[in-house]
Amino acid sequence: NAGVTQTPKFQVLKTGQSMTLQCAQDMNHNSMYWYRQDPGMGLRLIYYSASEGTTDKGEVPNGYNVSRLNKREFSLRLESAAPSQTSVYFCASSIRYQPQHFGDGTRLSIL
Amino acid sequence: DQQVKQNSPSLSVQEGRISILNCDYTNSMFDYFLWYKKYPAEGPTFLISISSIKDKNEDGRFTVFLNKSAKHLSLHIVPSQPGDSAVYFCAARVASNYKLTFGKGTLLTVNP
Repeated sequence: NAGVTQTPKFQVLKTGQSMTLQCAQDMNHNSMYWYRQDPGMGLRLIYYSASEGTTDKGEVPNGYNVSRLNKREFSLRLESAAPSQTSVYFCASSIRYQPQHFGDGTRLSIL
Repeated sequence: DQQVKQNSPSLSVQEGRISILNCDYTNSMFDYFLWYKKYPAEGPTFLISISSIKDKNEDGRFTVFLNKSAKHLSLHIVPSQPGDSAVYFCAARVASNYKLTFGKGTLLTVNP
């Protein structure tokens, strides 16, 4: 039972490079989310998808785009990476308003 | 403006004693609260939740108390075990809204 799988686990980018973080869930959940966690901070919502075919901005969407590819997959894209986007990124999923299940994160460093 | 506040960055407790983690919120529209536990290099895992229609919810060693008038909730762990050592996040949401607002977390260390 994999739950929420994020790839890659680690990545180093140079400023200006682009990258897509992948997330897939096998729990048949409708809703999916992307968060970032910075040192000394809680998790901040970047984007979420309440259901397949819909996406909405969260608290910190600038510099990111998302794609809800199908019910299982929700990707996060950085078009032109900036050092301020160095963070740990978590993907989560849930059934409507039920508690969210998280992946183990992608640790992204931008030089 | 931080809507969910965990004012203690860290807490150290002896094994077998009670751990009390606190959380305050400012948004009176929040009506559902959750606690997540996070180990290093892993994602947060859901621990326990409480709806605003209740003032207490219990699950084994974990109890969450909600004081709506004070906009305060707390997580009690009794008895504390070394395996409980982790970062604990408080989170809240408004009714009919998927979005969670998280506190900054409290690092709990349970000493053997």
